[in-house]
Amino acid sequence: GAVVSQHPSRVICKSGTSVKIECRSLDFQATTMFWYRQFPKQSLMLMATSNEGSKATYEQGVEKDKFLINHASLTLSTLTVTSAHPEDSSFYICSADRRGGSKETQYFGPGTRLLVL
Amino acid sequence: EDQVTQSPEALRLQEGESSSLNCSYTVSGLRGLFWYRQDPGKGPEFLFTLYSAGEEKEKERLKATLTKKESFLHITAPKPEDSATYLCAVQAANDYKLSFGAGTTVTVRA
Repeated sequence: GAVVSQHPSRVICKSGTSVKIECRSLDFQATTMFWYRQFPKQSLMLMATSNEGSKATYEQGVEKDKFLINHASLTLSTLTVTSAHPEDSSFYICSADRRGGSKETQYFGPGTRLLVL
Repeated sequence: EDQVTQSPEALRLQEGESSSLNCSYTVSGLRGLFWYRQDPGKGPEFLFTLYSAGEEKEKERLKATLTKKESFLHITAPKPEDSATYLCAVQAANDYKLSFGAGTTVTVRA
């Protein structure tokens, strides 16, 4: 099946630092990728839609200046958590949207566990 | 606004004890309904996409069905390795975003 990778898988940082998370679609091109956040025992909450070559679309309540998204190619989107604080600690998951054909669906990465001290 | 409600929240089964998970939804025109499996600390793993009422799909011990208001995920003769959280999501006709339910956590005891 389709493969989406994320890097790093786990990161611990000090409060006030910035953290970059990469999401790669390994075997198909994705014009659209999505970024989700998941808190313990909760479901996935969509943060933003990342479109290749254009600005990301953020969900209501998500600060675009805090969560910077760049989708520079058809296989790579990055999420940068700027000036991270302990309340940003969460599980961040990306997905790549595969369109057309029998395998059309969203494929998810393995997630990145962020802990801000 | 799209809404997805899954029940029950948790389900404990004995190995071999078949059961069903429910996903009720409201959406302004359905493009697709998705089922994913999520293991602890991992990203969701795609299971099925259903597009229209009456559609059914099967994979090993899992079978998903769809009506105009809800979807069921049937687990037949489950094994311990079927233990996971099962997530349901809908995609509206005018968008590619997924709206997720809270999930059903299934535990299968040997």
